[in-house]
Amino acid sequence: GAVVSQHPSWVICKSGTSVKIECRSLDFQATTMFWYRQFPKQSLMLMATSNEGSKATYEQGVEKDKFLINHASLTLSTLTVTSAHPEDSSFYICSAKDARLSYNEQFFGPGTRLTVL
Amino acid sequence: AQSVTQPDIHITVSEGASLELRCNYSYGATPYLFWYVQSPGQGLQLLLKYFSGDTLVQGIKGFEAEFKRSQSSFNLRKPSVHWSDAAEYFCAVGAGLTGGGNKLTFGTGTQLKVEL
Repeated sequence: GAVVSQHPSWVICKSGTSVKIECRSLDFQATTMFWYRQFPKQSLMLMATSNEGSKATYEQGVEKDKFLINHASLTLSTLTVTSAHPEDSSFYICSAKDARLSYNEQFFGPGTRLTVL
Repeated sequence: AQSVTQPDIHITVSEGASLELRCNYSYGATPYLFWYVQSPGQGLQLLLKYFSGDTLVQGIKGFEAEFKRSQSSFNLRKPSVHWSDAAEYFCAVGAGLTGGGNKLTFGTGTQLKVEL
């Protein structure tokens, strides 16, 4: 149980284009999902917290207009990197919190490797 | 503010030797502590977690961790390391209950190398 998937697992795009990454909870409902960014050989940095049916909460320093997050259902959150540039190249990981659990535990997806040329 | 410190950036051990990865945390209330492992290009796999109860926690792959409130530590141990344990290890802290907030804060990670 508690499986989170991400799609695509890797993507290469041209500078200036937009890329959408999906995060799905496969066997549970997730009222809250999280998006992290990880640069090579570094830790995970929380970008934003996504709550179903409401606007995402972004961490300080994260551009809301560049990283668009939509959490339209209890099993799906999407991250769209708009007008991507090479510096956006990174490993993006999502996680989800099971709505049934009263305690905090996040289940992580396998990550999406974004390369912007 | 919550924080996690993993003092060791790199650790190298011989296969079959014991292992201890250090983790110190700062948190104002009852913490929820985790250890994750990440292989190159992969997501995070949960090794073990602690919220309450027995301070010695058993996890997967033969790992264990001990919560020491007095030292604000949650060190990860394994009696005998296998070559397949080579990976990046992350310690994380968060609020125990949902009402305390959802955020997890990660340490900077410890890269484990295993010599054959």
